[in-house]
Order: sequence, then structure tokens, then C-alpha cells
Amino acid sequence: QQQVKQSPQSLIVQKGGISIINCAYENTAFDYFPWYQQFPGKGPALLIAIRPDVSEKKEGRFTISFNKSAKQFSLHIMDSQPGDSATYFCAAGGGADGLTFGKGTHLIIQP
Amino acid sequence: GAGVSQSPSNKVTEKGKDVELRCDPISGHTALYWYRQSLGQGLEFLIYFQGNSAPDKSGLPSDRFSAERTGGSVSTLTIQRTQQEDSAVYLCASSLAISGNYGYTFGSGTRLTVV
Repeated sequence: QQQVKQSPQSLIVQKGGISIINCAYENTAFDYFPWYQQFPGKGPALLIAIRPDVSEKKEGRFTISFNKSAKQFSLHIMDSQPGDSATYFCAAGGGADGLTFGKGTHLIIQP
Repeated sequence: GAGVSQSPSNKVTEKGKDVELRCDPISGHTALYWYRQSLGQGLEFLIYFQGNSAPDKSGLPSDRFSAERTGGSVSTLTIQRTQQEDSAVYLCASSLAISGNYGYTFGSGTRLTVV
């Protein structure tokens, strides 16, 4: 009930391409869906977040798409750059419990 | 402070020794979380605090692990009789409240190596 399933586990994208990472959740009480970006040697940092009252949120090259009926959400990175190479974690939360994290996606952007 | 501060940033210890890891959360954040991250792996939840109280300790891997928080601020994670499998990065995060509606701010972690 509390799981958040993230895919793919790893992803290689050419510079300038679109990176897409997907997550699915089960708990319909979740109402906050953040994405975290982690560089080597650093802790995860909040990248972008969405609430279920909207289907899409865009911040610069980063977009979250949210499908409430399918209980899925995804991160799209447009015009991917080598500096975007990092590990990305999706998460979901709501109510009295904290966030539940996905297992992470290792993204490599090839020059 | 401006961010979540963890110390030490790196710790090398001999098998069997005890270690203490410290986390200083953002001022005013009532919720504090500890995670463990093995090399290239995801985030393994250990324990959270709401104020000084830890309602659920079931994420701690064994009874060698304990954590406390005092004054609703600084938290320490203690590992007794360290084993090689304890080697990992230990991350601390804080948020305004325990509710899942708030984002977490993570520290940079403590890299623990047990030799």
C-alpha cells in the first residue's frame, strides 16, 4: 500500500534528448509528489513537486506529468545536458505519514 | 541554520567500535529523518522524530542501532559494535512537520566505512 515503484533503474540519454523517468503509487491518500536530484557525495535535493489538482507542472527544462486515475507520475527533462547526470528519486506523501521514496534512477547524459 | 548539517562528513572506524553520527536540522523543523544509502543504492528509511519522540523504530536494522533527539533539534544516530555491513552513507533530513505534504531538506550525509 505504501510502495512507490520507479523505473527505469538506469537511463542513458544523448545530450539534447528527452529523459523520462516514471513512478507509480498505490496509496490514493497521497497528495504530494516531489522529485529529488542527487549528485555524487551530496544529499538529495528537492527538484520539483506537484499536487494532484494539476496534471502538469513545468519549471525550466523539468516537467512533472501526473495521471491521477492511473496513479502514475513522471519526470521529463527536456534538452538533457551532461550536468543533469545524477540519481533521481520520486516520492509520494500525504496525511500523517512522511514521504515514501522510489528506489532511484541513475541518469547519464552522454555528450 | 540555513541547511541540514551532518557531522562528521566521513568516518572510518574499526569493526566492533561504536560510532556516533550527528544531525543538526533546519531551525524550526519539527520532523527529522534518518536514512541509509549503500553505494549506488536507494534510500533505506531508518527512523523519524516528531519533536523528541520517535514513534516508529521498526526501520532500524538491528538493536545495535539507536537514535535520540534532544531539545527538538540535534539528533544523534549511534551504532554499537560496528560491522562491515554497516558501511554506507547515513543521511539526515528535516521538514516543517511529519506530514507527507512537506518536502524534506537533506544534509550531505556521513560516509561511514567500517574496516
